[in-house]
Amino acid sequence: QKEVEQNSGPLSVPEGAIASLNCTYSDRGSQSFFWYRQYSGKSPELIMSIYSNGDKEDGRFTAQLNKASQYVSLLIRDSQPSDSATYLCAATSNDYKLSFGAGTTVTVRA
Amino acid sequence: NAGVTQTPKFQVLKTGQSMTLQCAQDMNHNSMYWYRQDPGMGLRLIYYSASEGTTDKGEVPNGYNVSRLNKREFSLRLESAAPSQTSVYFCASTTSGSIYEQFFGPGTRLTVL
Repeated sequence: QKEVEQNSGPLSVPEGAIASLNCTYSDRGSQSFFWYRQYSGKSPELIMSIYSNGDKEDGRFTAQLNKASQYVSLLIRDSQPSDSATYLCAATSNDYKLSFGAGTTVTVRA
Repeated sequence: NAGVTQTPKFQVLKTGQSMTLQCAQDMNHNSMYWYRQDPGMGLRLIYYSASEGTTDKGEVPNGYNVSRLNKREFSLRLESAAPSQTSVYFCASTTSGSIYEQFFGPGTRLTVL
């Protein structure tokens, strides 16, 4: 079992809608969680980090963390065609290392 | 600041050939990492260096070696390339401490024939 699991997708949403991405992790010792966006043929780009339970908002992005349920989510509000990408969830596994999920591909339909 | 740079961007090797992938960062980060990315597999850690002078194996180290040349540079060597090593290779770096936010280079697309 992978340490970080994501909905495999693909996820298709109309422009202006909310895209909801989910991620679960198995290591209860994980303390830090990240969402990366990766455009096709490009490298991952950090878009959100979250360290404590609850919500964290940054522009159109909201990350949610529930450590008791070992669950992390990312909401993209008012989705735009430029949000079409693969989103990678990551969690700290132990000192200095991250474990990544396989990614969820999002397509925003104009 | 260039951030994290990688060379080369593309490479084609024949089975059995060797090569070194280069990575450098100018953000004064202590920790550096090498990942490979294959379709449907996400990012898998090959080797990492928590600080200058140290290296450790990750999830998929077989067939690879690394050198942390100094604080800025971390290279990945394939001694005898195999078709199974066809992949996209990413280097990343982060500051030490509890943040762990990693920043990635542009990647090297390697094909082994």
